[in-house]
Amino acid sequence: DGGITQSPKYLFRKEGQNVTLSCEQNLNHDAMYWYRQDPGQGLRLIYYSQIVNDFQKGDIAEGYSVSREKKESFPLTVTSAQKNPTAFYLCATKHRGVQETQYFGPGTRLLVL
Amino acid sequence: EDKVVQSPLSLVVHEGDTVTLNCSYEVTNFRSLLWYKQEKKAPTFLFMLTSSGIEKKSGRLSSILDKKELFSILNITATQTGDSAVYLCAVEDTGSARQLTFGSGTQLTVLP
Repeated sequence: DGGITQSPKYLFRKEGQNVTLSCEQNLNHDAMYWYRQDPGQGLRLIYYSQIVNDFQKGDIAEGYSVSREKKESFPLTVTSAQKNPTAFYLCATKHRGVQETQYFGPGTRLLVL
Repeated sequence: EDKVVQSPLSLVVHEGDTVTLNCSYEVTNFRSLLWYKQEKKAPTFLFMLTSSGIEKKSGRLSSILDKKELFSILNITATQTGDSAVYLCAVEDTGSARQLTFGSGTQLTVLP
């Protein structure tokens, strides 16, 4: 079964904790992206990676960290420095090519207790 | 800074109605405009538009881009309750990462 998987589906975090959201893909796509979506708002880019062992900050990278050790995996860590982490987090991937678009995983909903 | 504005923010119609969703943008280096449908979870891709005046069509959905006036519309004819969703518009830049900038979406509710 091909596609993009994100886990967990729901995640609860206590204040001061770091948590890591998983994103795995078996589409052999080169680029991977992390977005945050708040109620009534569009998606905002947190980090992206175009190649293994390389990644760049997006528009709202503060309080987040990522790694890209394997092509298939792009985990996102929400650190305690992120003061308002409650949101819906979406991972996306894209194959290299002019006409290719980004495809999204099912998302992880993070709630801070 | 790239900017995408969608209108209306929300829309309630009855089955069978036709709706038009709007998307205007300001992008320094435009490559394409994309429409996505989001039903509670992951956005699903609808259309990618790169050229002005060429309508893209898929069933009851169609979309067109005006690069001179910097806007796009998404039309849905003969709406069904299954069309209820948030419709997101995004613009893609020409950078190597081809980043997307999203609008805040239009919440469409189709009543039976």
